[in-house]
Amino acid sequence: QKEVEQNSGPLSVPEGAIASLNCTYSDRGSQSFFWYRQYSGKSPELIMSIYSNGDKEDGRFTAQLNKASQYVSLLIRDSQPSDSATYLCAWRGGGGADGLTFGKGTHLIIQP
Amino acid sequence: DADVTQTPRNRITKTGKRIMLECSQTKGHDRMYWYRQDPGLGLRLIYYSFDVKDINKGEISDGYSVSRQAQAKFSLSLESAIPNQTALYFCATSDSTDLSGNTIYFGEGSWLTVV
Repeated sequence: QKEVEQNSGPLSVPEGAIASLNCTYSDRGSQSFFWYRQYSGKSPELIMSIYSNGDKEDGRFTAQLNKASQYVSLLIRDSQPSDSATYLCAWRGGGGADGLTFGKGTHLIIQP
Repeated sequence: DADVTQTPRNRITKTGKRIMLECSQTKGHDRMYWYRQDPGLGLRLIYYSFDVKDINKGEISDGYSVSRQAQAKFSLSLESAIPNQTALYFCATSDSTDLSGNTIYFGEGSWLTVV
């Protein structure tokens, strides 16, 4: 069964520090990976997508992908209280036939 | 206005009743999805549709049915609602021509409570 594993947290990080969120996946055929942010009671919103091994940076966010080790991570630099949310990782397998498989999410708390 | 609109946003219904959740999108995307979200269980795919003539079951389709009335409209029905279908439901869309990996965009969600 295709799965995505995330530590549910909560993960507490001081304001201004780096928050590190990790995700492992089971399907070696996975093609695309996504990080979504979800505030309580709201819809998930896309933060970043990554499909090649290595790092991808966008502002304060860096996604890291290691297909050999089957993990994807998200780093948030200079964490702000507004970053407090649940972060969902997701992947799409080969062929894109079945939507995204989501992890259960990591609850991140940025302490002022 | 939201690109992916869900109605109703909140609904309380009784066990055994039929309920329909509707979704419409203005993004021009060909693919549409219905997910449900439960605390501790994350987002789970119910049904997805690649176009008007293509409907596919997802991970948890039992007790649900869908209709793709047009490219822009995708509705989810609970034929006989039961309390464990109480959840937050999301409609979503993606563009099969999106070379960045078919990013999925979510609607605002519909809270459904079955009593």
